[in-house]
Amino acid sequence: QSVLTQPPSASGTPGQRVTISCSGSSSNIGSNAVNWYQHLPGTAPKLLIYNTYQRPSGVPDRFSGSKSGTSASLAISGLHSEDEADYYCASWDDSLNGYVFGTGTEVTVL
Amino acid sequence: EEQLVESGGALVQPGGSLRLSCAASGFNFRKHWMSWVRQAPGKGLEWVAFIREDGSKKYYVDSVKGRFTISRDNAKNSLFLQMNSLRAEDTAMYFCARVGHGDYNLGYWGQGTLVTVSS
Repeated sequence: QSVLTQPPSASGTPGQRVTISCSGSSSNIGSNAVNWYQHLPGTAPKLLIYNTYQRPSGVPDRFSGSKSGTSASLAISGLHSEDEADYYCASWDDSLNGYVFGTGTEVTVL
Repeated sequence: EEQLVESGGALVQPGGSLRLSCAASGFNFRKHWMSWVRQAPGKGLEWVAFIREDGSKKYYVDSVKGRFTISRDNAKNSLFLQMNSLRAEDTAMYFCARVGHGDYNLGYWGQGTLVTVSS
């Protein structure tokens, strides 16, 4: 059972903006950076956001991360069909002394 | 080009052991923390273990403590996961990943190797 909670699904039409939430606590999101990953089943996961807000080179600026208190969000603006995938938040947890992933959100492009 | 290639996955009986390997190339392996992450069938991603650049510090998820051991050979650019006392719930695709600098982000991943624990 993950300590980071995400909605199981999200959807939008091409061009729309989709936001995925990630709810944690003071021991993880509240005091540590947040990462976001994109995962298409059968492939290697891909880092989208590190240090809560930063994008690795090659990640489109349509993807953006934010945080407020013990919650974080990933926004995908200008949704593309190739954005259809599973998305996971993650953070270090000081209480568990380990890295935790969120429950995952399946994004569907309608 | 950066590359991580996992191997060693197999079908193993409950209580058995398995050693996974991850061959790294295209980057300075000895300068990076490394990690193992797994995904059980139909489930989400689960972090398994971290190891520091020099192997001096290791971190594990509670469910594998005392059963799994992460290690590395910097001379051979290789990462390992020794898995003992395997259980059905360890059945998963196991990914090797490179940890980025700054926070614990997993900046680059391999394609994974499948471990099935079943009698």
